[in-house]
Amino acid sequence: DSGVTQTPKHLITATGQRVTLRCSPRSGDLSVYWYQQSLDQGLQFLIQYYNGEERAKGNILERFSAQQFPDLHSELNLSSLELGDSALYFCASSAIAGSTDTQYFGPGTRLTVL
Amino acid sequence: AQKITQTQPGMFVQEKEAVTLDCTYDTSDQSYGLFWYKQPSSGEMIFLIYQGSYDEQNATEGRYSLNFQKARKSANLVISASQLGDSAMYFCAMRGTYGNNRLAFGKGNQVVVIP
Repeated sequence: DSGVTQTPKHLITATGQRVTLRCSPRSGDLSVYWYQQSLDQGLQFLIQYYNGEERAKGNILERFSAQQFPDLHSELNLSSLELGDSALYFCASSAIAGSTDTQYFGPGTRLTVL
Repeated sequence: AQKITQTQPGMFVQEKEAVTLDCTYDTSDQSYGLFWYKQPSSGEMIFLIYQGSYDEQNATEGRYSLNFQKARKSANLVISASQLGDSAMYFCAMRGTYGNNRLAFGKGNQVVVIP
């Protein structure tokens, strides 16, 4: 158990819908990262937050957005869902945001768009 | 940009034997970190081992060791005394510096341990 929690574990929805994925980092970790794992793209970095502020953006679609709240939990919002958004979405956390910081991953949310 | 290459096909390993998983990387950063993660069939990503680019010794964590050859830009994972629970996908990842804290992952190596 990494100490990172993600809810829900599974999510099945229809095209065009909007969903919210939730992540609670390890106790004391200030930095949260979101990654998407799909069969064709592999593991891709989406976005990073550090202590409530956006720190870095990766291959995140405009239909996707995220935020980190004062209690440090984070939410990833996916809207106007398409079939291609079906993937495993991971949240990871690290203590600060340095290059030597290990990122610990949550169990993931498996999103299926029908 | 950072790039991680893992090209080995799926591997079958006899229980109690050692296995080496290849990883090569490309980066223009002088300081960087290399990580290995394990993803069993249940899906979670489990951190295994870390190697810093300026670390003089190869990293070890229990049965895991990292064979770091900086000049060749390789960071191979060695799993000693394989166990059935080692059957999983293994990902090599790199993290840069100067604000670039994202992990860039390779495509992974599939390992199946057979009794």
